[in-house]
Amino acid sequence: DVKVTQSSRYLVKRTGEKVFLECVQDMDHENMFWYRQDPGLGLRLIYFSYDVKMKEKGDIPEGYSVSREKKERFSLILESASTNQTSMYLCATELGLYEQYFGPGTRLTVT
Amino acid sequence: QKEVEQNSGPLSVPEGAIASLNCTYSDRVSQSFFWYRQYSGKSPELIMSIYSNGDKEDGRFTAQLNKASQYVSLLIRDSQPSDSATYLCAVNLKTSYDKVIFGPGTSLSVIP
Repeated sequence: DVKVTQSSRYLVKRTGEKVFLECVQDMDHENMFWYRQDPGLGLRLIYFSYDVKMKEKGDIPEGYSVSREKKERFSLILESASTNQTSMYLCATELGLYEQYFGPGTRLTVT
Repeated sequence: QKEVEQNSGPLSVPEGAIASLNCTYSDRVSQSFFWYRQYSGKSPELIMSIYSNGDKEDGRFTAQLNKASQYVSLLIRDSQPSDSATYLCAVNLKTSYDKVIFGPGTSLSVIP
């Protein structure tokens, strides 16, 4: 079974704080993704990575950055958290043929 | 036109009935199609993938693909209350960079 873990299930941060969300997978998948999910807006792709040290912007990268120093770990960074970044953040890894497997998600609240 | 469209629902069906969930997509060259189930407060879970025209069955679930009509559906037979969830359709699109686009989801409620 594919196992994708995320560092926190719930997180509360203050405006302006730097926030790190970590995602770890144990299946040696090349491709990893960060999404955010908001009511009425669905799943939106923030960043993705097809290899170590490689990153590509998704549809809504503004205000975010990522790091992938090891194959199994993909981190999402909010450089200066803002209230409009309150959301559910989902990490996914991709097996061949575009099948994506999601972690449990981190519900981030920025106050 | 949105890239992947679904009826938002909610779709309500009685227990034991067939639930039919529909999805249309805009990219004619899409090759890979997926259905995810998402319970409230949880992350999406892959339940079906389909790559060829026709039907693919897995237990109570049947995915149907018609590439000419750019249409993919999910049938759930003998619906159970535990099937109550939001179902996301996902399609591999090649119009921009090669990626998977998720539809907005259809909320399904199975009434005991």
